[in-house]
Amino acid sequence: AQTVTQSQPEMSVQEAETVTLSCTYDTSENNYYLFWYKQPPSRQMILVIRQEAYKQQNATENRFSVNFQKAAKSFSLKISDSQLGDTAMYFCAFMNYGQNFVFGPGTRLSVLP
Amino acid sequence: EPEVTQTPSHQVTQMGQEVILRCVPISNHLYFYWYRQILGQKVEFLVSFYNNEISEKSEIFDDQFSVERPDGSNFTLKIRSTKLEDSAMYFCASRRGGGRNFGDTQYFGPGTRLTVL
Repeated sequence: AQTVTQSQPEMSVQEAETVTLSCTYDTSENNYYLFWYKQPPSRQMILVIRQEAYKQQNATENRFSVNFQKAAKSFSLKISDSQLGDTAMYFCAFMNYGQNFVFGPGTRLSVLP
Repeated sequence: EPEVTQTPSHQVTQMGQEVILRCVPISNHLYFYWYRQILGQKVEFLVSFYNNEISEKSEIFDDQFSVERPDGSNFTLKIRSTKLEDSAMYFCASRRGGGRNFGDTQYFGPGTRLTVL
């Protein structure tokens, strides 16, 4: 079974600074997708970024980018120019073909003014 | 932009009562999911549904749970006899699927907060 680990339960960063959230996963599959979801205090799940395992190029969405290391099974999220609105719980998620998501335990990020 | 909707946003019920949580997935999506999140914990998969039948379910999804797509738009989760430990946020999600797009994104609804007293 796939597992997803997020080793940082909580992190904080100053506004406008850069922060990196870590995620590792375990799978024997070769083709899969990885996602980062953001959950603000409203508790809605919002997609931040996704990565297809067969693509070597790291995904980027505006201030959000990932460092995908397939061999190391690592999928970290970098947030540049952090904003107060980035304060949220961040979940890393793994999806195999035709399967449901497996979520990590989450990292609570606080952006400080 | 189309979105997944869920009703009600908050449901309070007495232990032993039946509850039905409702979801309207995005209209051209084919795969539907229910997840739950106990406060302060991670999001857990409950069940996936495709082509009018359950395609996968977790250990959490026991005989007290059932899902249904009663018409062309709604997707419901029923808990027959609620327990205190069913108190959680329940998320519905849908994805388009089809062909090579097996990994296309799951879009989540805003959730229903279920409180069992």
